Amino acid sequence: QQQVKQSPQSLIVQKGGISIINCAYENTAFDYFPWYQQFPGKGPALLIAIRPDVSEKKEGRFTISFNKSAKQFSLHIMDSQPGDSATYFCAARGAYRGSTLGRLYFGRGTQLTVWP
Amino acid sequence: EAEVAQSPRYKITEKSQAVAFWCDPISGHATLYWYRQILGQGPELLVQFQDESVVDDSQLPKDRFSAERLKGVDSTLKIQPAELGDSAMYLCASSLGTGGRTGELFFGEGSRLTVL
Repeated sequence: QQQVKQSPQSLIVQKGGISIINCAYENTAFDYFPWYQQFPGKGPALLIAIRPDVSEKKEGRFTISFNKSAKQFSLHIMDSQPGDSATYFCAARGAYRGSTLGRLYFGRGTQLTVWP
Repeated sequence: EAEVAQSPRYKITEKSQAVAFWCDPISGHATLYWYRQILGQGPELLVQFQDESVVDDSQLPKDRFSAERLKGVDSTLKIQPAELGDSAMYLCASSLGTGGRTGELFFGEGSRLTVL
C-alpha cells in the first residue's frame, strides 16, 4: 500500500522554468512532510520540509505548498537550473507512538531533467 | 560536517551467498534506520532501531534478513542467502530522535548490491 503518491514520474523543464512536483497522502497520522533530493549513486539529502500547520514554506528557489484539507502537498522549483537535475522524493513522517513513530513513507520519486 | 558512513559502497555477489552491510550513524543519533531502495522507486523501511532496540522490523524479510545494533551505535544488516530480487541500494539513515526537528533523517550514501 503506497502511503504517499507522487507525480509525475518524470519531468523535463527548460532552464529558468518552474518545476512542479505533486504528492498526496491518505493517512492523517503524519506530522512532517520533507522533500529529498537524490543524485545518481548518492543517498537522499533533505531539501526542504514543512509541518501540517503551515500552508507554505519557501527556501531560496524551493517552495512547498501544503493543503491539509486536500491531503496534498507540492514542491515548486523556481528558475530551474541544470544543477537541479536529480530525483526528488516527497515523504511523510509517522506521528503516533508505536512502530510508525518517526518512520518516513516515501513517494516513488520524480526524475527531473533541466535542459540548458 | 558529520555524516552517516556506510560500507561497502558496492557489492556484487552470487545468489545464495551471504552479504553484510555496515553503518555508522552520526555521533549521538539514537535512532537508526535501514531502508531498501529498488531502482526507480522510493526508499522503503526495513528496520528501525532506537538505541540498541528494534522499534519496527515489520517489513524485514526475517527468513533471510537480520539486523543488529548491539551497542546502540553502529549497525549491521545481513542477508543470507541472497536472492536475485535483493538487488537494490541499501540505505542507512540516522536521527537524534523521532519527532520534531530531532526527527530529521540524515542518509548515508548507500550500499549498492547486485546479486547475480
